[in-house]
Amino acid sequence: QQQVKQSPQSLIVQKGGISIINCAYENTAFDYFPWYQQFPGKGPALLIAIRPDVSEKKEGRFTISFNKSAKQFSLHIMDSQPGDSATYFCAASPSGSARQLTFGSGTQLTVLP
Amino acid sequence: EPEVTQTPSHQVTQMGQEVILRCVPISNHLYFYWYRQILGQKVEFLVSFYNNEISEKSEIFDDQFSVERPDGSNFTLKIRSTKLEDSAMYFCASIWLQETQYFGPGTRLLVL
Repeated sequence: QQQVKQSPQSLIVQKGGISIINCAYENTAFDYFPWYQQFPGKGPALLIAIRPDVSEKKEGRFTISFNKSAKQFSLHIMDSQPGDSATYFCAASPSGSARQLTFGSGTQLTVLP
Repeated sequence: EPEVTQTPSHQVTQMGQEVILRCVPISNHLYFYWYRQILGQKVEFLVSFYNNEISEKSEIFDDQFSVERPDGSNFTLKIRSTKLEDSAMYFCASIWLQETQYFGPGTRLLVL
């Protein structure tokens, strides 16, 4: 019940295309859903986060869509660039962001030039 | 921009040895965390620390692990007797209140 399931495991997109990564959760106590970006040899860095009181949040080229009834959320990267090539992790935590994060298994995104 | 720092960046140790991983969280942050990431796998929560005590810990965080905030700036993770399966990247993170968990660059631990 603590798991966050993430798909796909890897994704290859052409420059300018849309990258879509999906996550699903079971624990209804989760109420904070961040996405982290990780480059090789670096720590995860927060990209964008959402709480369940909104269905969508957009920051620049990055959008989170959230479906509370389906317990699913997704990351959309518009106009994908080669510099976006990284591993993306969805995560969730209960009762606010100070609680432990449960991470998805990660998606390795490659954006071809 | 303030950042979480970790030392060492790499550590190689023999099985059964004790290791101490060090972190300097962002200065006004109140909650501190350790996570680990086995090569090619997802990031896993180990422990959170607030007000000088452990607030949450996972099943991974057994009696071989301990955490300490020995002074006002450092936050350490000690593994008393390392096992081969402790080989992983260890990340420290910190947070002020209900905001972003900021992660350090990690310590890559290799147990031989």
